[in-house]
Amino acid sequence: QVQLQESGPGLVKPSETLSLTCTVSGYSISSGYYWGWIRQSPGKGLEWMGSIYHSGSTYYNPPLKSRVTISGDTSKNLVSLKVTSVTAADTAVYYCVRSPSYCSSTRCYEFDYWGQGILVTVSS
Amino acid sequence: EIVLTQSPGTLSLSPGERATLSCRASQSVRSNYIAWYQQKPGQAPRLLIYGASIRATGFPDRFSGSGSGTDFTLTISRLEPEDFAVYYCQLYSTSPLWTFGQGTKVEIK
Repeated sequence: QVQLQESGPGLVKPSETLSLTCTVSGYSISSGYYWGWIRQSPGKGLEWMGSIYHSGSTYYNPPLKSRVTISGDTSKNLVSLKVTSVTAADTAVYYCVRSPSYCSSTRCYEFDYWGQGILVTVSS
Repeated sequence: EIVLTQSPGTLSLSPGERATLSCRASQSVRSNYIAWYQQKPGQAPRLLIYGASIRATGFPDRFSGSGSGTDFTLTISRLEPEDFAVYYCQLYSTSPLWTFGQGTKVEIK
């Protein structure tokens, strides 16, 4: 059974870098799929931040591209997220997600597994 | 960028009633690019529908998705107490880029 577990600091100071880790169990991230991050600000909707393909290629949401880095560690089977120069607007629950790396006539890259999420607050 | 607009923002219904949720894209999209998610308080979203109309594992057949072009619909035929939640539609665009609607909250009337 595939499981995704986010971890990292729950409090980050403004202007600093937010760093989170997603530990994946039940599937090797090097075997396929996109692995990504989605965040949800308090009381708000969902925002895709970026994804990494099993080959190492990365894709980012344009508004966040300059501040976000996603990387994978195949030896530890984990995916990491870094967001630089954070502000209060980056306060959110951050979810690690998986999506199939193929598109067919009946489905295309939906997010089929989610972590439980981790709340990160940006505050001094 | 294609924008998804969900309506209504909140749907107040009683158990046993039918819920009809709308997701409209700002331009025509392929049906296989549309998914729906259910999110209950304090939980992560859960994949509900993919390919606009295919139910994900674990969801009963009272949930159905339909639509094409710019208009997509999630229907819950008879609301059960556990169905009161927030529902999001999601679009995949080539780039790749994923976007979500703002959500529809289905609440108990």
